[in-house]
Amino acid sequence: AQSVTQPDIHITVSEGASLELRCNYSYGATPYLFWYVQSPGQGLQLLLKYFSGDTLVQGIKGFEAEFKRSQSSFNLRKPSVHWSDAAEYFCAVGARGSTLGRLYFGRGTQLTVWP
Amino acid sequence: ETGVTQSPTHLIKTRGQQVTLRCSSQSGHNTVSWYQQALGQGPQFIFQYYREEENGRGNFPPRFSGLQFPNYSSELNVNALELDDSALYLCASSSGLANEQYFGPGTRLTVT
Repeated sequence: AQSVTQPDIHITVSEGASLELRCNYSYGATPYLFWYVQSPGQGLQLLLKYFSGDTLVQGIKGFEAEFKRSQSSFNLRKPSVHWSDAAEYFCAVGARGSTLGRLYFGRGTQLTVWP
Repeated sequence: ETGVTQSPTHLIKTRGQQVTLRCSSQSGHNTVSWYQQALGQGPQFIFQYYREEENGRGNFPPRFSGLQFPNYSSELNVNALELDDSALYLCASSSGLANEQYFGPGTRLTVT
Protein backbone atom coordinates (compact mmCIF):
# COMPACT_ATOMS: atom_id res chain seq x y z
CA ALA A 1 0.00 0.00 0.00
CA GLN A 2 1.12 3.53 -0.65
CA SER A 3 2.32 5.57 2.30
CA VAL A 4 4.23 8.75 2.96
CA THR A 5 6.40 9.43 5.98
CA GLN A 6 7.49 12.86 7.08
CA PRO A 7 9.78 12.09 10.01
CA ASP A 8 9.92 15.62 11.39
CA ILE A 9 6.73 16.89 12.96
CA HIS A 10 8.15 20.31 13.77
CA ILE A 11 11.26 22.12 12.55
CA THR A 12 12.55 25.50 13.71
CA VAL A 13 15.10 27.47 11.69
CA SER A 14 16.44 31.00 11.79
CA GLU A 15 15.60 33.38 8.99
CA GLY A 16 18.28 33.16 6.32
CA ALA A 17 19.27 29.62 7.25
CA SER A 18 18.98 26.71 4.86
CA LEU A 19 16.13 24.26 5.10
CA GLU A 20 15.59 20.59 4.30
CA LEU A 21 12.29 18.82 4.94
CA ARG A 22 12.37 15.07 4.66
CA CYS A 23 9.89 12.84 2.88
CA ASN A 24 10.01 9.08 2.37
CA TYR A 25 7.41 7.11 0.48
CA SER A 26 6.39 3.54 0.01
CA TYR A 27 5.11 2.62 -3.43
CA GLY A 28 5.58 -0.29 -5.79
CA ALA A 29 6.56 1.77 -8.81
CA THR A 30 7.75 5.29 -9.49
CA PRO A 31 4.99 7.54 -8.22
CA TYR A 32 4.12 11.10 -8.93
CA LEU A 33 5.50 13.24 -6.10
CA PHE A 34 4.37 16.58 -4.77
CA TRP A 35 5.07 19.12 -2.08
CA TYR A 36 2.27 21.35 -0.85
CA VAL A 37 2.29 24.18 1.69
CA GLN A 38 -0.59 25.13 3.98
CA SER A 39 -0.90 28.36 5.94
CA PRO A 40 -3.15 28.38 9.02
CA GLY A 41 -6.80 27.92 8.13
CA GLN A 42 -6.04 27.76 4.42
CA GLY A 43 -6.09 25.21 1.65
CA LEU A 44 -3.01 23.66 0.11
CA GLN A 45 -0.75 25.42 -2.36
CA LEU A 46 1.33 23.37 -4.77
CA LEU A 47 5.06 24.11 -4.40
CA LEU A 48 6.46 21.65 -6.91
CA LYS A 49 5.94 18.28 -8.55
CA TYR A 50 7.91 15.38 -9.97
CA PHE A 51 6.44 13.27 -12.73
CA SER A 52 9.49 11.99 -14.61
CA GLY A 53 12.81 13.10 -16.04
CA ASP A 54 15.25 15.32 -14.18
CA THR A 55 15.29 14.25 -10.55
CA LEU A 56 15.95 17.77 -9.26
CA VAL A 57 12.82 19.86 -9.63
CA GLN A 58 12.39 23.55 -9.08
CA GLY A 59 9.26 25.05 -7.61
CA ILE A 60 7.79 28.33 -6.55
CA LYS A 61 9.10 30.58 -3.77
CA GLY A 62 12.68 29.36 -4.26
CA PHE A 63 12.01 25.75 -3.23
CA GLU A 64 13.49 22.69 -4.87
CA ALA A 65 13.22 18.96 -4.28
CA GLU A 66 15.26 15.96 -5.29
CA PHE A 67 13.83 12.54 -6.12
CA LYS A 68 16.11 9.70 -5.03
CA ARG A 69 14.72 6.40 -6.18
CA SER A 70 17.26 4.32 -4.26
CA GLN A 71 16.23 5.97 -0.99
CA SER A 72 12.51 6.35 -1.81
CA SER A 73 12.87 9.97 -0.84
CA PHE A 74 11.74 13.34 -2.11
CA ASN A 75 13.23 15.94 0.21
CA LEU A 76 12.34 19.60 -0.03
CA ARG A 77 15.07 22.23 0.21
CA LYS A 78 15.48 25.96 0.30
CA PRO A 79 18.87 27.71 0.56
CA SER A 80 17.67 30.70 2.59
CA VAL A 81 14.42 30.71 4.55
CA HIS A 82 12.24 33.80 4.85
CA TRP A 83 9.90 34.51 7.77
CA SER A 84 6.95 34.17 5.36
CA ASP A 85 7.87 30.50 4.80
CA ALA A 86 6.50 29.62 8.23
CA ALA A 87 3.66 27.17 7.50
CA GLU A 88 2.90 23.47 7.38
CA TYR A 89 4.41 21.45 4.56
CA PHE A 90 2.95 18.26 3.15
CA CYS A 91 4.59 15.69 0.94
CA ALA A 92 2.23 13.67 -1.24
CA VAL A 93 2.43 10.64 -3.48
CA GLY A 94 0.22 10.38 -6.52
CA ALA A 95 -0.64 6.86 -7.52
CA ARG A 96 -0.42 5.46 -11.01
CA GLY A 97 -2.34 2.52 -12.45
CA SER A 98 -5.75 1.55 -11.11
CA THR A 99 -5.72 4.23 -8.39
CA LEU A 100 -4.54 6.96 -10.71
CA GLY A 101 -5.45 10.38 -9.46
CA ARG A 102 -5.42 9.72 -5.72
CA LEU A 103 -2.98 11.61 -3.54
CA TYR A 104 -1.60 10.09 -0.36
CA PHE A 105 -0.29 12.65 2.10
CA GLY A 106 2.17 12.56 4.93
CA ARG A 107 1.25 13.98 8.33
CA GLY A 108 3.02 17.23 7.59
CA THR A 109 5.99 19.17 8.97
CA GLN A 110 5.31 22.41 10.80
CA LEU A 111 8.00 24.99 10.04
CA THR A 112 8.70 27.82 12.48
CA VAL A 113 11.05 30.61 11.42
CA TRP A 114 12.89 32.67 14.03
CA PRO A 115 13.70 36.28 13.11
CA GLU B 1 -8.33 32.42 -14.30
CA THR B 2 -10.52 31.61 -11.30
CA GLY B 3 -9.15 29.10 -8.83
CA VAL B 4 -10.98 26.41 -6.90
CA THR B 5 -13.71 27.79 -4.68
CA GLN B 6 -15.61 26.11 -1.88
CA SER B 7 -18.72 26.95 0.11
CA PRO B 8 -19.54 27.44 2.85
CA THR B 9 -16.35 28.48 4.65
CA HIS B 10 -17.50 27.26 8.03
CA LEU B 11 -20.37 25.08 9.14
CA ILE B 12 -21.64 23.86 12.49
CA LYS B 13 -23.95 20.83 12.57
CA THR B 14 -25.40 18.54 15.18
CA ARG B 15 -24.68 14.82 15.34
CA GLY B 16 -27.11 12.89 13.14
CA GLN B 17 -27.75 15.75 10.73
CA GLN B 18 -26.86 15.84 7.05
CA VAL B 19 -24.55 18.32 5.30
CA THR B 20 -23.76 19.32 1.72
CA LEU B 21 -20.48 20.97 0.79
CA ARG B 22 -19.89 22.56 -2.60
CA CYS B 23 -16.90 23.00 -4.84
CA SER B 24 -16.35 24.88 -8.09
CA SER B 25 -13.39 23.57 -10.05
CA GLN B 26 -10.78 25.68 -11.74
CA SER B 27 -11.59 26.72 -15.28
CA GLY B 28 -10.70 23.96 -17.76
CA HIS B 29 -10.52 21.22 -15.13
CA ASN B 30 -12.67 18.10 -15.46
CA THR B 31 -11.60 16.19 -12.37
CA VAL B 32 -12.54 16.91 -8.76
CA SER B 33 -11.21 15.15 -5.68
CA TRP B 34 -12.37 15.49 -2.09
CA TYR B 35 -10.18 15.12 0.98
CA GLN B 36 -10.81 15.17 4.71
CA GLN B 37 -8.17 16.78 6.92
CA ALA B 38 -8.56 16.13 10.63
CA LEU B 39 -6.76 18.42 13.04
CA GLY B 40 -3.03 17.77 13.04
CA GLN B 41 -3.22 15.29 10.17
CA GLY B 42 -2.55 15.24 6.47
CA PRO B 43 -5.48 15.18 4.05
CA GLN B 44 -7.12 11.82 3.42
CA PHE B 45 -8.63 10.93 0.07
CA ILE B 46 -12.44 10.53 0.16
CA PHE B 47 -13.33 10.11 -3.53
CA GLN B 48 -12.77 11.53 -6.95
CA TYR B 49 -14.99 12.44 -9.90
CA TYR B 50 -13.85 12.43 -13.48
CA ARG B 51 -16.23 13.69 -16.16
CA GLU B 52 -19.22 13.22 -13.83
CA GLU B 53 -18.36 9.62 -12.89
CA GLU B 54 -16.93 8.47 -9.55
CA ASN B 55 -13.39 7.33 -10.22
CA GLY B 56 -12.43 5.78 -6.93
CA ARG B 57 -13.13 6.01 -3.24
CA GLY B 58 -10.93 5.98 -0.19
CA ASN B 59 -11.66 4.26 3.11
CA PHE B 60 -14.84 6.20 3.92
CA PRO B 61 -18.31 4.76 4.64
CA PRO B 62 -21.23 5.04 2.19
CA ARG B 63 -22.76 7.91 4.17
CA PHE B 64 -20.13 10.00 2.37
CA SER B 65 -21.43 10.53 -1.15
CA GLY B 66 -20.88 12.96 -3.95
CA LEU B 67 -21.87 14.31 -7.31
CA GLN B 68 -20.19 16.05 -10.19
CA PHE B 69 -22.23 18.27 -12.47
CA PRO B 70 -21.87 18.92 -16.23
CA ASN B 71 -19.96 22.13 -15.51
CA TYR B 72 -17.56 19.96 -13.39
CA SER B 73 -18.51 21.54 -10.09
CA SER B 74 -19.08 19.04 -7.32
CA GLU B 75 -20.89 18.34 -4.07
CA LEU B 76 -19.91 16.27 -1.07
CA ASN B 77 -22.79 14.98 1.04
CA VAL B 78 -22.42 13.47 4.48
CA ASN B 79 -25.38 11.80 6.16
CA ALA B 80 -25.84 10.88 9.82
CA LEU B 81 -23.02 13.13 10.97
CA GLU B 82 -20.73 11.86 13.70
CA LEU B 83 -18.46 13.83 16.00
CA ASP B 84 -15.40 12.40 14.20
CA ASP B 85 -16.59 14.00 10.97
CA SER B 86 -15.40 17.34 12.35
CA ALA B 87 -12.59 18.33 10.00
CA LEU B 88 -11.47 20.59 7.17
CA TYR B 89 -12.90 19.31 3.90
CA LEU B 90 -10.77 20.12 0.90
CA CYS B 91 -11.72 20.01 -2.73
CA ALA B 92 -9.10 19.82 -5.46
CA SER B 93 -9.43 20.02 -9.21
CA SER B 94 -7.18 18.93 -12.04
CA SER B 95 -7.21 18.73 -15.82
CA GLY B 96 -7.25 14.96 -15.84
CA LEU B 97 -6.41 12.11 -13.54
CA ALA B 98 -2.65 12.20 -13.95
CA ASN B 99 -2.12 15.90 -13.46
CA GLU B 100 -1.39 18.04 -10.45
CA GLN B 101 -4.30 18.95 -8.20
CA TYR B 102 -5.13 22.48 -7.15
CA PHE B 103 -6.88 22.91 -3.84
CA GLY B 104 -9.60 25.21 -2.65
CA PRO B 105 -9.53 26.94 0.74
CA GLY B 106 -11.65 24.23 2.36
CA THR B 107 -14.81 24.05 4.44
CA ARG B 108 -14.38 23.75 8.18
CA LEU B 109 -17.10 21.43 9.50
CA THR B 110 -17.76 21.19 13.22
CA VAL B 111 -20.13 18.51 14.50
CA THR B 112 -21.45 18.98 18.04
